[in-house]
Amino acid sequence: AQSVSQHNHHVILSEAASLELGCNYSYGGTVNLFWYVQYPGQHLQLLLKYFSGDPLVKGIKGFEAEFIKSKFSFNLRKPSVQWSDTAEYFCAVNYGGATNKLIFGTGTLLAVQP
Amino acid sequence: DGGITQSPKYLFRKEGQNVTLSCEQNLNHDAMYWYRQDPGQGLRLIYYSQIVNDFQKGDIAEGYSVSREKKESFPLTVTSAQKNPTAFYLCASRLGRASGDRQPQHFGDGTRLSIL
Repeated sequence: AQSVSQHNHHVILSEAASLELGCNYSYGGTVNLFWYVQYPGQHLQLLLKYFSGDPLVKGIKGFEAEFIKSKFSFNLRKPSVQWSDTAEYFCAVNYGGATNKLIFGTGTLLAVQP
Repeated sequence: DGGITQSPKYLFRKEGQNVTLSCEQNLNHDAMYWYRQDPGQGLRLIYYSQIVNDFQKGDIAEGYSVSREKKESFPLTVTSAQKNPTAFYLCASRLGRASGDRQPQHFGDGTRLSIL
């Protein structure tokens, strides 16, 4: 079955620390990959996306993600987090085909301490 | 200003009552989706519609129903058959199938439903 795994459910960091959130997906051929962020009290927003080409993609607010095909991974990174990055982060995969459904991971709650 | 509007933001209902959640979009998107978000479980797909007058069950459709009579509207009814309806419900939309798989979904602000 198609699935997406996010291994870290809760992450607590101090400001200026580096961030890496893991995301793995089950094999399904060609995939399109997304990271969404949900700030407290706000709607889900797209952080970045990968379709093809350079496996290192840059998104908004200094976030980037690397697609490693051999590991079925799409980890999210940020070199130096800020208090305003406190949010819940969701990895999502579109396996394509007729349905165009997005499969979401369970989310990672990031708390950045000032 | 284009976007997705979900109403109401908070909804309280008595057990055994059906309740309908509204989702309207003015993005001219063909496809619309309903998700349920529970703590620690991420987003799970309830129903989706890729075109007017057509919709398909998602992964957790039991106890829910939808309609898609207009392109901009995709209301979700939580019926009394839904065993655990208290949750946060998110509506999303995207450009249609003709645009391929690469268009991201855009989300509304959500409706928090509580069954008393």
